[in-house]
Amino acid sequence: AQKVTQAQTEISVVEKEDVTLDCVYETRDTTYYLFWYKQPPSGELVFLIRRNSFDEQNEISGRYSWNFQKSTSSFNFTITASQVVDSAVYFCALSVGQGGSEKLVFGKGTKLTVNP
Amino acid sequence: EPEVTQTPSHQVTQMGQEVILRCVPISNHLYFYWYRQILGQKVEFLVSFYNNEISEKSEIFDDQFSVERPDGSNFTLKIRSTKLEDSAMYFCASGWTGGAPGAFFGQGTRLTVV
Repeated sequence: AQKVTQAQTEISVVEKEDVTLDCVYETRDTTYYLFWYKQPPSGELVFLIRRNSFDEQNEISGRYSWNFQKSTSSFNFTITASQVVDSAVYFCALSVGQGGSEKLVFGKGTKLTVNP
Repeated sequence: EPEVTQTPSHQVTQMGQEVILRCVPISNHLYFYWYRQILGQKVEFLVSFYNNEISEKSEIFDDQFSVERPDGSNFTLKIRSTKLEDSAMYFCASGWTGGAPGAFFGQGTRLTVV
C-alpha cells in the first residue's frame, strides 16, 4: 500500500525566513510520481511540481526548491525568503505505476503561516 | 491554458436529496477522477474513470455514489441521498495518461448538506 506522511501539521515563520516542508512516502513500486500542491484559503489545489521516481535531480523554481532522496524516501519542499502570499496548506502526494489510471495518495498537509 | 472546470462552486442541499456535481475535463484527456476533502482534512480519492467505465474506486465510493460521462465533455458525480457527512469539497481531475493525472484539478465544488 502507498502512504504519504507529512509530519509537520503547522509551521509558522516570519516573512523572509526560509522554510522546509517535509514529505516521506512509502511504496513498493519502482515507478512512481511525487507531487506537491498548494491550497490557499480560497480552497483550490494549485499544482506546484511533479517528479518521477527515476529523476532524482533537485529542482529549483524561483523561491521554491525540491529535494528528492530515494534513499530516505523523502521529497522535501523548501521556500526561500518566504512571503505572506505563501501562507497556505501544502500537500505532498504520490501516484504509482507507469500507465493507467493511477490515483493520487495525499499526505495530511502542512499549514504554513507566514507572518509579516 | 486549458483547465478543468467545475460547477457549481458551492451547493447547499438538504439531507436525503440527490445532488449532481459537474465537471468539464480538459478536452484531450482520457482519465477522469473525483476526490473529496472534508474540511480541514486531507484530500481523498473517490473514483477513477477511463474508457466509459470505472477503473478504480475507494471504499468511500459506495452505492450512494455514481459517475457518468453523459457526453463528450462533461463528467458528473451523483450522490443519490446525501448525508451530513457528505459535506466536503469535491475535486474533479483529469489526465491524458497515467502517472500525471493529478496535475490537473478543477477549482472544487463545496457541498454543504444541511
